[in-house]
Amino acid sequence: EDQVTQSPEALRLQEGESSSLNCSYTVSGLRGLFWYRQDPGKGPEFLFTLYSAGEEKEKERLKATLTKKESFLHITAPKPEDSATYLCAVQAKAAGNKLTFGGGTRVLVKP
Amino acid sequence: DGGITQSPKYLFRKEGQNVTLSCEQNLNHDAMYWYRQDPGQGLRLIYYSQIVNDFQKGDIAEGYSVSREKKESFPLTVTSAQKNPTAFYLCASSMWSTGEASEQFFGPGTRLTVL
Repeated sequence: EDQVTQSPEALRLQEGESSSLNCSYTVSGLRGLFWYRQDPGKGPEFLFTLYSAGEEKEKERLKATLTKKESFLHITAPKPEDSATYLCAVQAKAAGNKLTFGGGTRVLVKP
Repeated sequence: DGGITQSPKYLFRKEGQNVTLSCEQNLNHDAMYWYRQDPGQGLRLIYYSQIVNDFQKGDIAEGYSVSREKKESFPLTVTSAQKNPTAFYLCASSMWSTGEASEQFFGPGTRLTVL
């Protein structure tokens, strides 16, 4: 069974204080790993797709990396507008197009 | 603008009532999905549809039903058989891929509350 675990559950940062979120996964053949951002009361917003170990993707202050067992979302010099819940999901080769989601990490950036 | 719309944004249901949540997309995506999100938890798959007139149960389909009569539309009915329906419901769509990973794009959600 495919599993995704995100840590920490919650993260409080001062503006400008860089940090990383972790997404550990077990999957029988990875097609892709996805990162989403979700603001309170809204639908998730797609950020990145990572396909294979060693791959990196960047968008503004966010950088996602992938190994064979985990993915990290690095937030560099965060701003208050980066406050959100960040969701990680995996798509397994045997699962068709279905996604398995982790529980998310709630990030609060204080000015 | 291309995107996914869900209606209503808020829905209140009395015990014993069936309610239907609407989801429409104009992204020309083949596949559509329904998820449920409970406070502090990740998303759980209810139903998904690869093509018109075909759909499959997800991990928590009991107490829900769907239809896929048009490519653009995938309504979800929450029946009275669903014991704990209060949740945030999210609809998503994607291209259906048999090769490379396929991203799912989400609508704004419907918050259902049972009174």
